[in-house]
Amino acid sequence: AQTVTQSQPEMSVQEAETVTLSCTYDTSENNYYLFWYKQPPSRQMILVIRQEAYKQQNATENRFSVNFQKAAKSFSLKISDSQLGDTAMYFCAFMEGAGNMLTFGGGTRLMVKP
Amino acid sequence: DVKVTQSSRYLVKRTGEKVFLECVQDMDHENMFWYRQDPGLGLRLIYFSYDVKMKEKGDIPEGYSVSREKKERFSLILESASTNQTSMYLCASSCSREGRSYNEQFFGPGTRLTVL
Repeated sequence: AQTVTQSQPEMSVQEAETVTLSCTYDTSENNYYLFWYKQPPSRQMILVIRQEAYKQQNATENRFSVNFQKAAKSFSLKISDSQLGDTAMYFCAFMEGAGNMLTFGGGTRLMVKP
Repeated sequence: DVKVTQSSRYLVKRTGEKVFLECVQDMDHENMFWYRQDPGLGLRLIYFSYDVKMKEKGDIPEGYSVSREKKERFSLILESASTNQTSMYLCASSCSREGRSYNEQFFGPGTRLTVL
């Protein structure tokens, strides 16, 4: 079974600064996908960014980028130029290559301070 | 845009009551999921359905059952609610994997259930 660990329950960052959220996972699979989901206060969970394990290039979506270290089984999320709207719970998640189900980490609560 | 809706945002029930949580998606997705979200534990899968009348147990199915009579609707049932089922419940849906490298899950707003 896969496990996903987020070691930072809470983090804070000043507006306009950069913050990195950590995620590690454990799997024996070689083909899989990794995701970061964002859950704003009282709002629906949305996908922020995804990474295919077979791709060496780190995924980037505007101010969001990942540092994917396959050998170390590490998948961190970097948020640049943090905005107040980035305040949310962030979940790291894993999906097997041929599967449909997600395994989530425990989440990191991020507070962006003005 | 995919829309996943849940019947209630907040629900308060008493121990022993039968509870129905409803989820509806409007994108003709084959897959539907029920998760439970608890602080520090993230989201844990309760049940998964990949087609009408089909279901698979997730990681924590004990105390729950599900029903999928129509493709767009997936219900979570607590036959006899207990206080340890107080939690946030999230529904999600996704399309099938056929012809796709991966399938993104789209989430509903959640139902915060309190069992007294």
